[in-house]
Amino acid sequence: DQQVKQNSPSLSVQEGRISILNCDYTNSMFDYFLWYKKYPAEGPTFLISISSIKDKNEDGRFTVFLNKSAKHLSLHIVPSQPGDSAVYFCAARLITNTGNQFYFGTGTSLTVIP
Amino acid sequence: NAGVTQTPKFRVLKTGQSMTLLCAQDMNHEYMYWYRQDPGMGLRLIHYSVGEGTTAKGEVPDGYNVSRLKKQNFLLGLESAAPSQTSVYFCASSYRAGEASGEQFFGPGTRLTVL
Repeated sequence: DQQVKQNSPSLSVQEGRISILNCDYTNSMFDYFLWYKKYPAEGPTFLISISSIKDKNEDGRFTVFLNKSAKHLSLHIVPSQPGDSAVYFCAARLITNTGNQFYFGTGTSLTVIP
Repeated sequence: NAGVTQTPKFRVLKTGQSMTLLCAQDMNHEYMYWYRQDPGMGLRLIHYSVGEGTTAKGEVPDGYNVSRLKKQNFLLGLESAAPSQTSVYFCASSYRAGEASGEQFFGPGTRLTVL
């Protein structure tokens, strides 16, 4: 069963507006949440992360919000730019006795319209 | 500094054939991972390694074997390929556990088709 879910396969936003990408999770033992960006024919690249003890982390145009009670996180991109068009994956880290494991969502394809 | 590299980039196999995918990283990372990406499924962890000489199973390990004989290399083997193993395979590496979020650095991927 999918422990990390991204229920919106795609999102279109006008340039300059805010993009909001959502992610839900089921396992309360996840201790870190990460967002990755992926362009076609390339591997994912790290964007921003948040610890489970925080509720917000900001890095330039990117802000991640975490609502632990709702098991929900979101990525805000303000202002959106055409170069932000990519697939965004949400990931969650679980520390086990054999090491760190990461669970990824199915991704949201963001299109920023000039 | 090449980061994470994967060999080969593309491969077509027939059912029952075997092959090895090679992942190399030059960042002196302790952790290495193999994922597969399928449409509508996101990335799923196959196997991972927390250091040279160690391996562990992830979410979908069946049909795959791995080896980490050198710190910089992580090999993924398919002993008898099946059409269900048609996928894009990504290798990733990261610093030691406990260091910040454990962000991973990914390779460019290997597109494998099993006929």
